[in-house]
Amino acid sequence: ELKVEQNPLFLSMQEGKNYTIYCNYSTTSDRLYWYRQDPGKSLESLFVLLSNGAVKQEGRLMASLDTKARLSTLHITAAVHDLSATYFCAVDIIQGAQKLVFGQGTRLTINP
Amino acid sequence: KAGVTQTPRYLIKTRGQQVTLSCSPISGHRSVSWYQQTPGQGLQFLFEYFSETQRNKGNFPGRFSGRQFSNSRSEMNVSTLELGDSALYLCASHFGGEPLNIQYFGAGTRLSVL
Repeated sequence: ELKVEQNPLFLSMQEGKNYTIYCNYSTTSDRLYWYRQDPGKSLESLFVLLSNGAVKQEGRLMASLDTKARLSTLHITAAVHDLSATYFCAVDIIQGAQKLVFGQGTRLTINP
Repeated sequence: KAGVTQTPRYLIKTRGQQVTLSCSPISGHRSVSWYQQTPGQGLQFLFEYFSETQRNKGNFPGRFSGRQFSNSRSEMNVSTLELGDSALYLCASHFGGEPLNIQYFGAGTRLSVL
């Protein structure tokens, strides 16, 4: 059974600091996704990582993928309050179909 | 371009009742997936429909069912509701077949079972 584990599950940090969220998964996958969820809201797609060594950046967020280690990271640079949210990674385990297996989520709180 | 639309946004039901949730995907998207989100179990895949056919199913009891219509709109039905069915139900759509397979999520239907 595929398992996706994130850590940490809770993260409180100050504005201006850097931090990394880790996502480990237990079996080979075609794609890894990062989503953001604000309280009471839906999921917003941030990144899709397709291959080993893939790196995507958007603003203060950067995601990378190491398929050999089955590890993805989401790095936050110089955090700002607006980045406070819950971040999920998800793995797509069936090629061509859509059956995402999600991590538990990392609740990120950025304090002024 | 309109996003994924889910109706209703909120529902309150009692145990034993049944409920139907609706999802209209982004125009042109052929695949619709359903997920259940709870504080205890997180986000769990329910099923996926593509061109009116169920293509994948998660580990949920038979009380959970769905269907997709020819216009790609999808409905999810839960019969004989239990307290544990209280959750946020999210629908996601994607075009189907493209390399990235990005799923776009609706705002969800929050179901409370009393």
